Amino acid sequence: NAGVTQTPKFRVLKTGQSMTLLCAQDMNHEYMYWYRQDPGMGLRLIHYSVGEGTTAKGEVPDGYNVSRLKKQNFLLGLESAAPSQTSVYFCASSYSTSRWAETQYFGPGTRLLVL
Amino acid sequence: AQSVTQLGSHVSVSEGALVLLRCNYSSSVPPYLFWYVQYPNQGLQLLLKYTSAATLVKGINGFEAEFKKSETSFHLTKPSAHMSDAAEYFCAVSSGSARQLTFGSGTQLTVLP
Repeated sequence: NAGVTQTPKFRVLKTGQSMTLLCAQDMNHEYMYWYRQDPGMGLRLIHYSVGEGTTAKGEVPDGYNVSRLKKQNFLLGLESAAPSQTSVYFCASSYSTSRWAETQYFGPGTRLLVL
Repeated sequence: AQSVTQLGSHVSVSEGALVLLRCNYSSSVPPYLFWYVQYPNQGLQLLLKYTSAATLVKGINGFEAEFKKSETSFHLTKPSAHMSDAAEYFCAVSSGSARQLTFGSGTQLTVLP
């Protein structure tokens, strides 16, 4: 049981380049999330998904797109990277229940540097 | 909208001393609150969560937090700090259709020998 995994661990991009971050979970979770972490700002929600084929915008969605073609995978895309997207990106997943206190399980993160 | 505020971006304690990390929330409905810990270069790990079953919540590694509605607080404590507790700690509140988390800005805990 690997939990939540993220690929790649680290990436350097030039401004304007594109890339896709992959998140995979093996816990059969319905809900998946992408966050970015910046110093002094905690984690902020970019996009999330409540199930296969569905996605929704979070707090800071501009410049990102996502897809959830398979239940276990959640992809985050940057079409034209900007220096402001330099950050650490975390994926998380959780069960879909009526409980508001459902635990989210986090991946190890992807460090992205945009030059 | 629900939010959390963490007072003190950096906290230093001596090994063996009390750890107190502060979190205040703003919510118009009963909040569901979490504390997560992040060790260097790792993802976030759940320490504990408030589910309204009990106001004093015990978590992993000897941490606990008390929900105080009158003070809108959910402070994290540990009676005796250990060097291995050095990490960044985040308070968060759950809301929305997908139980999205809104995080505080984090508190970096340093444990001095």
